[in-house]
Amino acid sequence: QKEVEQDPGPLSVPEGAIVSLNCTYSNSAFQYFMWYRQYSRKGPELLMYTYSSGNKEDGRFTAQVDKSSKYISLFIRDSQPSDSATYLCAMSGRSNDYKLSFGAGTTVTVRA
Amino acid sequence: GAGVSQSPRYKVAKRGQDVALRCDPISGHVSLFWYQQALGQGPEFLTYFQNEAQLDKSGLPSDRFFAERPEGSVSTLKIQRTQQEDSAVYLCASSPYTGLTYNEQFFGPGTRLTVL
Repeated sequence: QKEVEQDPGPLSVPEGAIVSLNCTYSNSAFQYFMWYRQYSRKGPELLMYTYSSGNKEDGRFTAQVDKSSKYISLFIRDSQPSDSATYLCAMSGRSNDYKLSFGAGTTVTVRA
Repeated sequence: GAGVSQSPRYKVAKRGQDVALRCDPISGHVSLFWYQQALGQGPEFLTYFQNEAQLDKSGLPSDRFFAERPEGSVSTLKIQRTQQEDSAVYLCASSPYTGLTYNEQFFGPGTRLTVL
């Protein structure tokens, strides 16, 4: 079993819908939680970063972390076709916090 | 300013050939990371450099994989005697800080390696 589990989708939604993405993890030592966006043929780009439990909002994006359930979420409001990409969750926080553990990524398509 | 650049962007190798993949980090970035991303998967950590010192190579899958960063800037990932299972995108990332705690890693576009 992988340390970080993420449903690969694909997920297809109409423009303006709310996109809901999530990951579960097994390592209770994780304390840094990230969401990356990866467009086709590009490298991952950091969207959101959260330390420990709680919520964080940045424009149309909201990240939630529930450490008691080992569950993290990303919500995208008012989704746009330009949001079509693969979304990767990542986390770190063992003895070497720089070593990111990624989920498999969820491919999202926002239909115009 | 310029981001992380990688070359070549695409590489096709015959099984058994040696390959060298180059990473140019953002200027002044202390930390440099290599990841391997198989098709349909998330990136997997390979190795970490702080300046020219390779502090962690625990993710390198075999002794056929070797990475260096001799002057603390450009890095090269070398794969000897390539196998089909080495086919993947190899991502390089850099960070302006030491990697002892979490800091944002800036990723390059990757090199897509296909081994025939």
